Amino acid sequence: EAQVTQNPRYLITVTGKKLTVTCSQNMNHEYMSWYRQDPGLGLRQIYYSMNVEVTDKGDVPEGYKVSRKEKRNFPLILESPSPNQTSLYFCASNGDTGELFFGEGSRLTVL
Amino acid sequence: QKEVEQDPGPLSVPEGAIVSLNCTYSNSAFQYFMWYRQYSRKGPELLMYTYSSGNKEDGRFTAQVDKSSKYISLFIRDSQPSDSATYLCAMSDTGRRALTFGSGTRLQVQP
Repeated sequence: EAQVTQNPRYLITVTGKKLTVTCSQNMNHEYMSWYRQDPGLGLRQIYYSMNVEVTDKGDVPEGYKVSRKEKRNFPLILESPSPNQTSLYFCASNGDTGELFFGEGSRLTVL
Repeated sequence: QKEVEQDPGPLSVPEGAIVSLNCTYSNSAFQYFMWYRQYSRKGPELLMYTYSSGNKEDGRFTAQVDKSSKYISLFIRDSQPSDSATYLCAMSDTGRRALTFGSGTRLQVQP
């Protein structure tokens, strides 16, 4: 079954405590991306990766880092989380058809 | 002004009604147009995918694109309670992989 798996699904943390949200896909897709979803703002792209070791900024990259050491994994790193990063995060991957496959989402609260 | 505008709703209709969901956009470079459906606590899933102007039908769903007016629509015939979800429009220029999303319209179909 085609899947994008992200963890954790829910996380409450405090300002400044580094955290990583993992993402893994089993479809051998080259392209992966991270989005955040906020009320009234829709989905906004944070970072994307065209392939292993190739990453680039999306629309809202400030405060985030990513890495792509393997094709299937694309973790999102918040080095020093702040309350304005409280959001619902989605990892996505797509192949040549252009269809985005999304994970189930990770709801992050930064206190 | 947002690049993609979408009425947030909520839109409440009785079962069996025809539903019309719409988005307007400002970027004339957009050529790929998509509708995603998002159930509560789930990631978005692709419903319809169209290229350039015209209509596309899939079962009870019809997508329309009018590039001259920068306006896209999704029609749902014989709506069912299971159609209750948030519907997100998304679009892209020739790159296809970097999507710009609307903020989503929440639809409730009453039994």
